[in-house]
Amino acid sequence: VQLVESGGFVVQPGGSLRLSCAASGFTFNDYAMGWVRQSPGRGLEWVSLITRDGDTYYADSVKGRITISRDNSRHSVFLQMDSLRADDTALYYCAKDGSNGYFEDWGQGTLVSVSS
Amino acid sequence: EIVMTQSPATLSVSPGERATLSCRASQSVSSDLAWYQQKPGQAPRLLIYGAFIRATDVPVRFSGSRSGTEFTLTISGLQSDDFAVYYCQQYHNWWTFGQGTKVEI
Repeated sequence: VQLVESGGFVVQPGGSLRLSCAASGFTFNDYAMGWVRQSPGRGLEWVSLITRDGDTYYADSVKGRITISRDNSRHSVFLQMDSLRADDTALYYCAKDGSNGYFEDWGQGTLVSVSS
Repeated sequence: EIVMTQSPATLSVSPGERATLSCRASQSVSSDLAWYQQKPGQAPRLLIYGAFIRATDVPVRFSGSRSGTEFTLTISGLQSDDFAVYYCQQYHNWWTFGQGTKVEI
C-alpha cells in the first residue's frame, strides 16, 4: 500500500487549497479513505472521511469549509479546503480505512501553512 | 462528540521494563478502539484495532485490553525502538483521537 499526498502550500488566510492523495497497492474502490491532520507539535485530529460509496463526513472544525471527494478511476482522494484559517495550519495525512473505521495505512503527509 | 482521554501525558520507562498506557472514553465505544505509534518525523503506524487485535507485523510485546470504557496498551519488555508517542482513537461514533502519551527513556 502506498499513499502519496500532494498540494500542500503556504496560503493566506481566507485562501483555498486542494490536497490530493494518490493511492496504490490495493483495490481502491473497496475502501473508505480519510484525512487526519497534525498541527505543529500537537496531536492527531480527524478531519474528514469518504466511504467507498461516496458518503462524506466532516469534523465540526472544518464543516462548511472543506469538501472531500474521490475519483476511483484515478485511485485518488481529494480535500478541497476553502476559507482557510491560521488554525488550519498542519501536516495533512491521507489514510486508508481498515474496513471498520480505524486507519491501517498512512501517507507521509503534506504541509499546509496558513499565514499572511 | 466522544472525548478520548489518555494518561499519563508522559511515561518514563527504562529499556526492558513494561509500559502501561491508558485511554478512557467519555461514553461507550464498545471495542471500536485503535492504538497508533508515532515516531518523530514519521506518520502514525497502526498497532492495535478492535481494542486488542494486533495489526500486521506488530510484535507480540504490544497488547491491548478493555474494561468498560477504559482501554490499556501494554508494551512488555520495552525496546529502544518503542520510544515514541502513542495515540488511541475511537471509531464507534465518528472518529476521535486521544491527545497522546509520550513514552520516553
